[in-house]
Amino acid sequence: DQQVKQNSPSLSVQEGRISILNCDYTNSMFDYFLWYKKYPAEGPTFLISISSIKDKNEDGRFTVFLNKSAKHLSLHIVPSQPGDSAVYFCAAGTGTSYGKLTFGQGTILTVHP
Amino acid sequence: NAGVMQNPRHLVRRRGQEARLRCSPMKGHSHVYWYRQLPEEGLKFMVYLQKENIIDESGMPKERFSAEFPKEGPSILRIQQVVRGDSAAYFCASSPGTGADYEQYFGPGTRLTVT
Repeated sequence: DQQVKQNSPSLSVQEGRISILNCDYTNSMFDYFLWYKKYPAEGPTFLISISSIKDKNEDGRFTVFLNKSAKHLSLHIVPSQPGDSAVYFCAAGTGTSYGKLTFGQGTILTVHP
Repeated sequence: NAGVMQNPRHLVRRRGQEARLRCSPMKGHSHVYWYRQLPEEGLKFMVYLQKENIIDESGMPKERFSAEFPKEGPSILRIQQVVRGDSAAYFCASSPGTGADYEQYFGPGTRLTVT
């Protein structure tokens, strides 16, 4: 039962352009969402989060958008840099089970110089 | 570096042996979480612990796996009688336990290989 899905296994973008990573979820109880970035042989690094009471959160080059009616969130990276090349995971949790995050399968982002 | 520490980074065990994975949370964090990542998959929640308490172990396999977070010392994930299917990366995360618990900070992981 895959409650959080990242349907694109990979994404390739030119340096300086926008990267858009997508994530869909099925559990309407999720009320906060996070994006993590992961390099090989390292642990995930927290990037940005959003709670269900918002539809947008911005932090520097990273913006997360949440569409609750569509059960969809996206991460925009503008402008993309080669150092952004990594695996990106979206994750979700509920207020009644703090701590238990459900992760998507990940999207490999490659930013070409 | 006061980040989450895990050791060992790599662990090789033969089938039937025991594996012990250790996790020291970030300074000031009192909540610890364990996740497992199988090849080509996302991270799967295993267990959520506070000092001396298991809060949520709904992701733990029913047999052979156990976790603890004692009053003193690191959190331990223990796998008894390992099988090849236990080969995976095991990640520990921690959070402050003061509200923003969903912002979990991960360690570098322990890569377990069962031969």
